[in-house]
Amino acid sequence: GAGVSQSPSNKVTEKGKDVELRCDPISGHTALYWYRQRLGQGLEFLIYFQGNSAPDKSGLPSDRFSAERTGESVSTLTIQRTQQEDSAVYLCASSWAALNTEAFFGQGTRLTVV
Amino acid sequence: QQQVKQSPQSLIVQKGGISIINCAYENTAFDYFPWYQQFPGKGPALLIAIRPDVSEKKEGRFTISFNKSAKQFSLHIMDSQPGDSATYFCAAKLPNDYKLSFGAGTTVTVRA
Repeated sequence: GAGVSQSPSNKVTEKGKDVELRCDPISGHTALYWYRQRLGQGLEFLIYFQGNSAPDKSGLPSDRFSAERTGESVSTLTIQRTQQEDSAVYLCASSWAALNTEAFFGQGTRLTVV
Repeated sequence: QQQVKQSPQSLIVQKGGISIINCAYENTAFDYFPWYQQFPGKGPALLIAIRPDVSEKKEGRFTISFNKSAKQFSLHIMDSQPGDSATYFCAAKLPNDYKLSFGAGTTVTVRA
């Protein structure tokens, strides 16, 4: 497809379990972002990848959160020992370059921790 | 600490009416102010954006008004249509930065 693809669309997990969320950016996009959208709130920046540079992890809320990106392609966001407050929609976006260009968002993964 | 404050949280407007959403910011260094439109089950999509060197930008039925001295900007949806029913987010970005600071969002419902 031509857009940013995220999987799964929905994930229900038990408290304490680990989850892995996947993002396929638009081909050729060097910049990739993860945001979190809690119910009734705006998007919170989590992490940013640009090419082969070290990622900006400044938005990750705790050390239970981590993310990887393979080159300029797929990224995975991992949440270990999930907590109920991790329930949110996790959105991935990509862009041609980091600055002054439009970022295109995927449809998100809705994570519910029960 | 929310850097961009958005209001109202929700609004209902009749078809053909005007929807107005307001945002206020504190950091005067912000130099890019986009608005995103999000339909249920979809990711946000860029709708329109403005830089602080202009006071107004119009694209079709959507207009951004920008008041630099008041540190406020707003989105006006003219002749609102049922297809405009969505959640709208304002955002702001610093120069040479890649992170967007988002408002909390406004759910707009346009009644036919």
